[in-house]
Amino acid sequence: EVQLVESGGGLVQPGGSLRLSCAASGFLFSKYWMTWVRQTPGKGLEWVATIKQDGSERSYVDSVKGRFTISRDNAKNTLHLQMNRLTAEDTAVYYCGREDVSSVTVDYWGQGTLVPVSP
Amino acid sequence: QSALSQPASVSGSPGQSITISCTGTTSDVAGYNYVSWYQQHPGKAPKLVISDVSNRPSGVSNRFSGYKSGNTASLTISGLQAEDEADYYCSSYSSTSARYVFGPGTKVTVL
Repeated sequence: EVQLVESGGGLVQPGGSLRLSCAASGFLFSKYWMTWVRQTPGKGLEWVATIKQDGSERSYVDSVKGRFTISRDNAKNTLHLQMNRLTAEDTAVYYCGREDVSSVTVDYWGQGTLVPVSP
Repeated sequence: QSALSQPASVSGSPGQSITISCTGTTSDVAGYNYVSWYQQHPGKAPKLVISDVSNRPSGVSNRFSGYKSGNTASLTISGLQAEDEADYYCSSYSSTSARYVFGPGTKVTVL
């Protein structure tokens, strides 16, 4: 059974940093592109970042470029999202997702981790 | 403001069929067959119900079907059941973002 379990969320002050992790199990992690998507009540779902199987390609939504870094550790089956210079606009539930091996879609999602950015 | 457009809400009685539309542009919906639909119940993670416009993943009820014409994709739920009451989001690959764009979501109510 595919399982994705996020951790690392929590209250952070504006300008602060946070590192999210996503532990993957039930599939061969190193064979899949992986993605972070966030959800806010006001803006709905928003794609944040994606990383290729070997980490050689990474892409980001414009609003996080230069502040967020997606990375992975295939030996530990873990995906990360390093978030720096956080603002209130980054407040959201962050989901990690596995991309379908033969398509461009997120076929499995974690349960999400909440990141409130507030003084 | 979402890149794709969806109706805010759709409702139907048990047993009826409903259709949710998702409108984009030539940079996303019209340009690629990578339209997906997700079902999300309150407090839960999204669940993939349709990928690649009309492909139904294993384990998803055959009451869910997808279609695309031009820049508009559609999700139809036939034989509506109480358990179908949820939010539904469309998504597409976008050449503008080089990955995904989402719709704002449609709340489906079973009357």
